[in-house]
Amino acid sequence: AQTVTQSQPEMSVQEAETVTLSCTYDTSENNYYLFWYKQPPSRQMILVIRQEAYKQQNATENRFSVNFQKAAKSFSLKISDSQLGDTAMYFCAFSRNDMRFGAGTRLTVKP
Amino acid sequence: GAVVSQHPSWVICKSGTSVKIECRSLDFQATTMFWYRQFPKQSLMLMATSNEGSKATYEQGVEKDKFLINHASLTLSTLTVTSAHPEDSSFYICSARPGQGMVSPLHFGNGTRLTVT
Repeated sequence: AQTVTQSQPEMSVQEAETVTLSCTYDTSENNYYLFWYKQPPSRQMILVIRQEAYKQQNATENRFSVNFQKAAKSFSLKISDSQLGDTAMYFCAFSRNDMRFGAGTRLTVKP
Repeated sequence: GAVVSQHPSWVICKSGTSVKIECRSLDFQATTMFWYRQFPKQSLMLMATSNEGSKATYEQGVEKDKFLINHASLTLSTLTVTSAHPEDSSFYICSARPGQGMVSPLHFGNGTRLTVT
């Protein structure tokens, strides 16, 4: 079974600064997808970014980008120009037929 | 697009009663839906995969007789918590993906907060 590990339970960053959230996973599969979801206090799950494993190019969505290292099974999320609205739980997820989540990282953006 | 509606958003029930939670895909058909459970300050744990027209697939440790899943149509899956106990109190979230395969991200309902007294 696939496992997803987020080793940073909590992180904080100053507004306008850059922060990187770590994620590693374990799988024997070659074809899969990776996602980052954001869960604000409302508990709504919001898709941040996704990465196809067969693509070497790292995905980018505005201020959000990933560093995907397939051989190392690493999938970190970089948030640039952090905003107060970025404060939330962030979950890394591995997907093939279903989707499995890491334990999450609570990010606080400080003014 | 790709909206998933979950109802109710919160429910309080007494021990021993049953509670039904509905999950609907409003603008797409979903042959597969997923049910997750989330304890406070914890991650989403996959409970079961709901398959339209067939039996659900439960994760190890999830009691299928306690958490009944019915996926009777391509847009509706229900989770019934039977004979609820206080330890069943949790946040339940359903999700679905439009289209086939893993390329589509999951879209999530807003969740149901269940409190068993």
